[in-house]
Amino acid sequence: NAGVTQTPKFQVLKTGQSMTLQCAQDMNHNSMYWYRQDPGMGLRLIYYSASEGTTDKGEVPNGYNVSRLNKREFSLRLESAAPSQTSVYFCASILTYKETQYFGPGTRLLVL
Amino acid sequence: QKEVEQNSGPLSVPEGAIASLNCTYSDRGSQSFFWYRQYSGKSPELIMSIYSNGDKEDGRFTAQLNKASQYVSLLIRDSQPSDSATYLCAVFLEGTYKYIFGTGTRLKVLA
Repeated sequence: NAGVTQTPKFQVLKTGQSMTLQCAQDMNHNSMYWYRQDPGMGLRLIYYSASEGTTDKGEVPNGYNVSRLNKREFSLRLESAAPSQTSVYFCASILTYKETQYFGPGTRLLVL
Repeated sequence: QKEVEQNSGPLSVPEGAIASLNCTYSDRGSQSFFWYRQYSGKSPELIMSIYSNGDKEDGRFTAQLNKASQYVSLLIRDSQPSDSATYLCAVFLEGTYKYIFGTGTRLKVLA
C-alpha cells in the first residue's frame, strides 16, 4: 500500500495563477482532509470530506475549493494564487469517525 | 474557538533523559487525543492515541490524559538524538469530523 500520496511535491506559481493539488489514498478510508502548515501556526484545516460526495469548510477555506472525486481522491484547487497561500499543504485521511489520521508527504507551494 | 495549546520550545534534554511534552485543550467534550511526531520537512506520523483518563504506554513513550484538567502529556523515556523533532498534539472535536492541532513543541535531544 502506498498510503496517502500527493502531487506535486513542489510547485512555484505566480500571483494570479491557478493550480490543483492532488491527493489519493489506497486504504479505503472514508474521510479526507486538506491542511496547510505555516511556521509557528501548526496545521490548519482548509476543507474536509467526511464521506464520498460531501465536503465542508474548515478553519481557513478562503481562496480554495475542493472536489471529492471518488472515495480515493480529494483535490484542492487554488483559483487565483496569492503570496499568502505560500505554505506546505498536507492531505490526510481516516478510516472512520475519530480515528487516527494518516498524512501524505506534503506539497510545498511558493507563490511569487 | 476551540484551542489546543503547546509550548513551542525548543525543549532540550540530554540523551538518556526523560522528555516531558505537555498539551492543554479548551473543548471539555473532547474524548480522543493524538500525539504526532514531525521531522523537519516531513509529514506528521502518529506516535500514540489516547482516549481514557490515565496512562498509556508504548515502548519508550507514555501518554497521560486528565480530562478534568483538560491536559494531555507525552513522556519519552531514554531520549535519543533520533527523537529530535516537533511533537504535535491533536484533539478530535466530538460531533464533527474535525481535528484541532497545537502548534507543536520542538524537542532537541543532545548527544
